[in-house]
Amino acid sequence: GEDVEQSLFLSVREGDSSVINCTYTDSSSTYLYWYKQEPGAGLQLLTYIFSNMDMKQDQRLTVLLNKKDKHLSLRIADTQTGDSAIYFCAERRDAGNMLTFGGGTRLMVKP
Amino acid sequence: KAGVTQTPRYLIKTRGQQVTLSCSPISGHRSVSWYQQTPGQGLQFLFEYFSETQRNKGNFPGRFSGRQFSNSRSEMNVSTLELGDSALYLCASSLGHDFYFGPGTRLTVT
Repeated sequence: GEDVEQSLFLSVREGDSSVINCTYTDSSSTYLYWYKQEPGAGLQLLTYIFSNMDMKQDQRLTVLLNKKDKHLSLRIADTQTGDSAIYFCAERRDAGNMLTFGGGTRLMVKP
Repeated sequence: KAGVTQTPRYLIKTRGQQVTLSCSPISGHRSVSWYQQTPGQGLQFLFEYFSETQRNKGNFPGRFSGRQFSNSRSEMNVSTLELGDSALYLCASSLGHDFYFGPGTRLTVT
C-alpha cells in the first residue's frame, strides 16, 4: 500500500474553505509538501513545512502538521474556481533527496 | 529566473523503440530527479542526480537510465519501450529542500 494516503475527492462551494487531508507513515520525514496539478500541467509547489513545525500560513494557505498522528492538512481559505485541481501531499524522508507522494485529492469548486 | 524546462513535451513511440528525455534545471540547482506519473501507479520516483552522480534510485527496471551533465542538465533514457511505459515523466530541480517541477514530457507508446 501507499506510504502517503489522501482522500480521492473534495467538492466545495466558491468562497468556502477547503481542507485537504493527508496521512503518512514514516516518522523520519523531514519536510512535507503540498503540490497543485492542473490538467496537462506539471506540479506546482504550493508550500512545505519542516517536521519540527506544527503550522505554517502563507496567504490563503494554512498547513497543519500533527506529527504524533502523522497527519498533514492543507486549508485553502476563500476557495476560488481557479483552485480546482488535483492536490498532492508528499514527504521527504531523512535519507535521500526524493519525494514520496500521496495519490492526490481532486478538488472541485462549484460557483 | 527561468523555471525547469523539459523537452520534448510530447512523444509518440512504438513498442521496442528507445527514447531520450531532457531536463534543464533552474540555474544554480545541482540536483535533478525524475518521476513517472501514471493513472494506475500515481507519482513514482525514478532516480536523482547530483553533480553528475546518481545518488538515489527508485524501483524501476534497468531499461530506465539517466545521466547528468556538468551544466546540471539531465537526460533519462528508456530502452525497449513497453506499452506500460506510457506516462507523464516529470523532472524536479532542487537546491536544498525545495523541489520545483517542470511541465513534464507526455510519452505515449503504441
